[in-house]
Amino acid sequence: GNSVTQMEGPVTLSEEAFLTINCTYTATGYPSLFWYVQYPGEGLQLLLKATKADDKGSNKGFEATYRKETTSFHLEKGSVQVSDSAVYFCALILNAGGTSYGKLTFGQGTILTVHP
Amino acid sequence: GAGVSQTPSNKVTEKGKYVELRCDPISGHTALYWYRQSLGQGPEFLIYFQGTGAADDSGLPNDRFFAVRPEGSVSTLKIQRTERGDSAVYLCASSMGTSGSPGELFFGEGSRLTVL
Repeated sequence: GNSVTQMEGPVTLSEEAFLTINCTYTATGYPSLFWYVQYPGEGLQLLLKATKADDKGSNKGFEATYRKETTSFHLEKGSVQVSDSAVYFCALILNAGGTSYGKLTFGQGTILTVHP
Repeated sequence: GAGVSQTPSNKVTEKGKYVELRCDPISGHTALYWYRQSLGQGPEFLIYFQGTGAADDSGLPNDRFFAVRPEGSVSTLKIQRTERGDSAVYLCASSMGTSGSPGELFFGEGSRLTVL
């Protein structure tokens, strides 16, 4: 089956530190990959995505590169801010046609806390 | 409305009772999804509606769970004979369906269900 594994959390950083949250996946086909973020008191929202190997998704200073050879999609940010404190979820979709269009498989989430 | 709206935000019930959770999607979104998020886990897919019909209900855990979307807009998730293991946050999401980007869902803040 399909699965997503994220690094164990929580992650605590000081402001302006470098962030990496690891994500690896197992899929029976060729997935599209996503990072979703959940800020306190808000619903999940899409942060970035990549649909094919070597694609780099980016948004709000965050980046992730689709690595087919290592089945990974690690999230990085060069300098985190207090406002980045949230829960981050890696996810995949397999065969994005038909009924699979919104059938995401999520990782367990990583809690990020950034201190001033 | 501007975003996906879910009611109630919190529901506490007793084991064996019947529960309804409501979702009002973004206006114009044809696709609607229900996910369940247990404590410390990522969201898990339950059911997907395209219009009024359930296109994929493969994630519903058993026949105590049922969902409807009679007019292709608001949806209700119904849980009969609730069990303590049903305690979770139930997330609703909507999207443009096949007219939109695969995997790009817009989530509500969720309904937290606690079964005592």
